[in-house]
Formats: sequence, C-alpha cells, structure tokens
Amino acid sequence: AQSVTQLDSQVPVFEEAPVELRCNYSSSVSVYLFWYVQYPNQGLQLLLKYLSGSTLVESINGFEAEFNKSQTSFHLRKPSVHISDTAEYFCAAYLITDKLIFGTGTRLQVFP
Amino acid sequence: ETGVTQTPRHLVMGMTNKKSLKCEQHLGHNAMYWYKQSAKKPLELMFVYNFKEQTENNSVPSRFSPECPNSSHLFLHLHTLQPEDSALYLCASSQGGGGSSGANVLTFGAGSRLTVL
Repeated sequence: AQSVTQLDSQVPVFEEAPVELRCNYSSSVSVYLFWYVQYPNQGLQLLLKYLSGSTLVESINGFEAEFNKSQTSFHLRKPSVHISDTAEYFCAAYLITDKLIFGTGTRLQVFP
Repeated sequence: ETGVTQTPRHLVMGMTNKKSLKCEQHLGHNAMYWYKQSAKKPLELMFVYNFKEQTENNSVPSRFSPECPNSSHLFLHLHTLQPEDSALYLCASSQGGGGSSGANVLTFGAGSRLTVL
C-alpha cells in the first residue's frame, strides 16, 4: 500500500539548535512531495514542495528538504530553530495515484 | 486570512442533531476537499469536488453528506453522528482538479472542531 511515514510523533529541541524531521514514502516511481505546517488553532499551510529539478528545496523561513530517491526520503531540516517554529509538520506526497497522501505528523516543540 | 474560510470554528452536537459545516474559498480555485483530522492519524480525505462535481467519496458513512452548490462553496451536512466522529474537519481548495499534475497545492482553512456528545 502507498504510504507516507513520519516516524517521530514529537521532536523536542532547544531554541537555536538544529532539527531534522524525518519523512519516508513508499513508491518506486516519480513522486511529488510536500511539507505542510500547522500552527495551533490553524489549518495547514504549505511550507515547501518538490516537483522536479534540484533535489534540495527551501522555504522562506529557513527550512529546507532534500529529495533522496534511493532512500525514498524527504527529510525536513533547519539549522537553527526559533520558538515560533513550534507547530505540527506534515509530510505529504502524490504517489502512484492522484490522491495526496499525508503522514501522521510530527510535533516540533521548541524550548527556550 | 488564508483565503479559505470555515464556519463554525467549533461545534458541539448531540448524536440526534443535524448541523452543517460551511467552507468558502476566495481564490478562484476549481477543486474543493473535505478532510478529517483525528489525533495520531494521517489526514483522511473524505470528499473531492471538481467544478462542483463530486469526484471522490472515500468510503465515507452516509451520515456525512457533502454539498457543493458552486466552485466557491462547500458544505458538509451532519446527521446522527457518533462520538468517534469528533475531530477537526478541514476544508481545502486547489487550482487543479485533485490530480498529481504538481500544480495542485492545497490551501486549507482553519478547520471546524466538532465534538459529538
């Protein structure tokens, strides 16, 4: 079955520390990959996306993700997090079918 | 304001009540979606509408009844719900019709938090 896996349900980090949120998908064909962020009491917002081209994609607020076809991964990274980055992060993908499949989410908690 | 507005933000209802969730998008998108978000579960796609026509019903129980009168409005009518239906219901829209053309970035509303007693 097609799936998007986020192994870490929660990631606690201190402010200004680096962070990596992991995402793996199950597909051997071309995929489109996304990271969405959900701040408290809000809907999901697109953070970044990979459609084609450069395997490293960046967001405007310092996050980046790298598409790794051999490892079927699309991990999200930030070299130095802020308190305001506290949120739930969802990895999503269009795999073989035309349905957008979401992972279960990773809650990033940034402590001062 | 994200461009997708959902009302009400919070709803508490009994199992015998009838209520409706409303979604409105001001983005000129052609496709609209209902998702269910429950704790520790992936977002569940419920319904997809393209140009007002339903193109996806993901085995949703009939106690959930969608309505899409035009490309800008989407409703979810609720009737005789169960406590396990308590969740955050998210509406989304996209320019494309729900396929994997890559252009279908979803814009979400803030959600309607439903509690069924």
